[in-house]
Amino acid sequence: RKEVEQDPGPFNVPEGATVAFNCTYSNSASQSFFWYRQDCRKEPKLLMSVYSSGNEDGRFTAQLNRASQYISLLIRDSKLSDSATYLCVVKTSYDKVIFGPGTSLSVIP
Amino acid sequence: DGGITQSPKYLFRKEGQNVTLSCEQNLNHDAMYWYRQDPGQGLRLIYYSQIVNDFQKGDIAEGYSVSREKKESFPLTVTSAQKNPTAFYLCASSPSYDSGYQPQHFGDGTRLSIL
Repeated sequence: RKEVEQDPGPFNVPEGATVAFNCTYSNSASQSFFWYRQDCRKEPKLLMSVYSSGNEDGRFTAQLNRASQYISLLIRDSKLSDSATYLCVVKTSYDKVIFGPGTSLSVIP
Repeated sequence: DGGITQSPKYLFRKEGQNVTLSCEQNLNHDAMYWYRQDPGQGLRLIYYSQIVNDFQKGDIAEGYSVSREKKESFPLTVTSAQKNPTAFYLCASSPSYDSGYQPQHFGDGTRLSIL
């Protein structure tokens, strides 16, 4: 089993739709969690950290379920500019940073 | 503005040639990292450095070498021993290796191709 797994995608959604991405991790000792966004042929950029109580930043909501070793990212009211690949990133207690393979999102007019 | 600068943006290598990718940061970060990304794939760790004059192998270090003589700089050499070097190379940094909730920040990458 891979250390970090994500929905395979791609996700094609109309503008204004709500879309959710899921990510699971295998190491129960993992401590820190992040969502990054990567545009085509560009570097990953931090979208948001994921906190135990869940957190929201505008149209984006991140949730963490430690018991199920599961992280989610919800995007409401999708915009064309949200089209990108979304990377789930997990940092273990041994300070190892593991990137998931990413889930591709295309928002269609 | 603080940030991470990678150069060149595009690099072409001849067979049997070593090439060096530059990564410089002015964020005063202790930890620096090199990743490789292949088309449609996730990031894979090549080397990382927790502090000056120290570095460790990542998951795919074979065919690569690094140095960390200055805090600001972490160059990556792709040697002729790396048989499939064509990829997108990303350099990242974080305040320290044991930086808890501190995420990594990335440079804008170098695309390496074989001639």
